[in-house]
Amino acid sequence: SQTIHQWPATLVQPVGSPLSLECTVEGTSNPNLYWYRQAAGRGLQLLFYSVGIGQISSEVPQNLSASRPQDRQFILSSKKLLLSDSGFYLCAWSVLAGETQYFGPGTRLLVL
Amino acid sequence: SQQGEEDPQALSIQEGENATMNCSYKTSINNLQWYRQNSGRGLVHLILIRSNEREKHSGRLRVTLDTSKKSSSLLITASRAADTASYFCATVGGFKAAGNKLTFGGGTRVLVKP
Repeated sequence: SQTIHQWPATLVQPVGSPLSLECTVEGTSNPNLYWYRQAAGRGLQLLFYSVGIGQISSEVPQNLSASRPQDRQFILSSKKLLLSDSGFYLCAWSVLAGETQYFGPGTRLLVL
Repeated sequence: SQQGEEDPQALSIQEGENATMNCSYKTSINNLQWYRQNSGRGLVHLILIRSNEREKHSGRLRVTLDTSKKSSSLLITASRAADTASYFCATVGGFKAAGNKLTFGGGTRVLVKP
């Protein structure tokens, strides 16, 4: 069966510090991968998606970036965090674009 | 901008009652999906309904889709305390330019009181 992992679960970082969130998927090959951000009490905003290694599409201009160094690994990064980067970050995967997505447990980021 | 918008934003019911929430969208879709999110957790996929389908069932869940009204509804029958969660609809655009990405609504928060 397929599983998706995210870490860390919770992160408190000072403004201006770097960020690296990791997502890995097990039990499937060549998944479509997604990073979302969710503000408190709100819906999900798609940040990045990837259809293959090294292929990243950005949905929202911001100080975040994403990379996919391996088939089942998706990393969300920032060189300098802003207060507005606080939120709940969710990674997801799908077999086909536009079909069912399977979500990880999320990382809660608080930037102080 | 968000494609799907849920209504109501919040819903409080007694255990055993039915819960109905609605989702409206603006442009044509390929499919519409419903997800559940327990507090502080990831989303769990519930049902996917395609644009040529009108109704789907899964256990105590019933989803309808009316493409002429650009709306969908999710019905939870005989609700349980464990159904307490936020429910989101997500649409996939019907045009190739949409990139087959899911666009989420703001969600309906459901509280089932024991």
